[in-house]
Amino acid sequence: DTEVTQTPKHLVMGMTNKKSLKCEQHMGHRAMYWYKQKAKKPPELMFVYSYEKLSINESVPSRFSPECPNSSLLNLHLHALQPEDSALYLCASSYLVYNEQFFGPGTRLTVL
Amino acid sequence: GDSVTQMEGPVTLSEEAFLTINCTYTATGYPSLFWYVQYPGEGLQLLLKATKADDKGSNKGFEATYRKETTSFHLEKGSVQVSDSAVYFCALSDRNQGGKLIFGQGTELSVKP
Repeated sequence: DTEVTQTPKHLVMGMTNKKSLKCEQHMGHRAMYWYKQKAKKPPELMFVYSYEKLSINESVPSRFSPECPNSSLLNLHLHALQPEDSALYLCASSYLVYNEQFFGPGTRLTVL
Repeated sequence: GDSVTQMEGPVTLSEEAFLTINCTYTATGYPSLFWYVQYPGEGLQLLLKATKADDKGSNKGFEATYRKETTSFHLEKGSVQVSDSAVYFCALSDRNQGGKLIFGQGTELSVKP
């Protein structure tokens, strides 16, 4: 299995909702990442997990809460989002933090 | 800090034309360099990589050579196809940055039949 999977593919939520994004990989990678991508822009790093511990938080607002339950899974919990948080959310993984990263297909999030 | 600069798009080519997308970088350490491709509505796919000076990465007819002396990693393809239409991102990863991928702004390529 050489891919990163993300669910759901699309998500529409109101500003008072709580939802979660899920990411999974079975490549034995020990680093996992969350990125946010706006249209026609490069991905912006949000969080890095290395060996299931949070190693980088790029000053992301607390309405985004990451969780790494085990080495294969990465979640992003969403609460009280704003319309400007609408974007493509990408998950990635790599064998170690400085190796090439493999991206999932993303979750297209719309906040109403 | 580290940075990546790509040529601006969009780039429009006819099928079978030669492609060059310029990428230069600034880094304090010894970075690895990558090209990623993003097709419409999809995530990023790793196209090729190079981990040290003079390495040449290649995949699907695309090539790029890690040039330390000119701090460049230009992407080339001898004959583009309509299916190559996508956004291409040059990126670097430096061990000193803890795993952060530094991306260029992306270059949109459109190939016409």
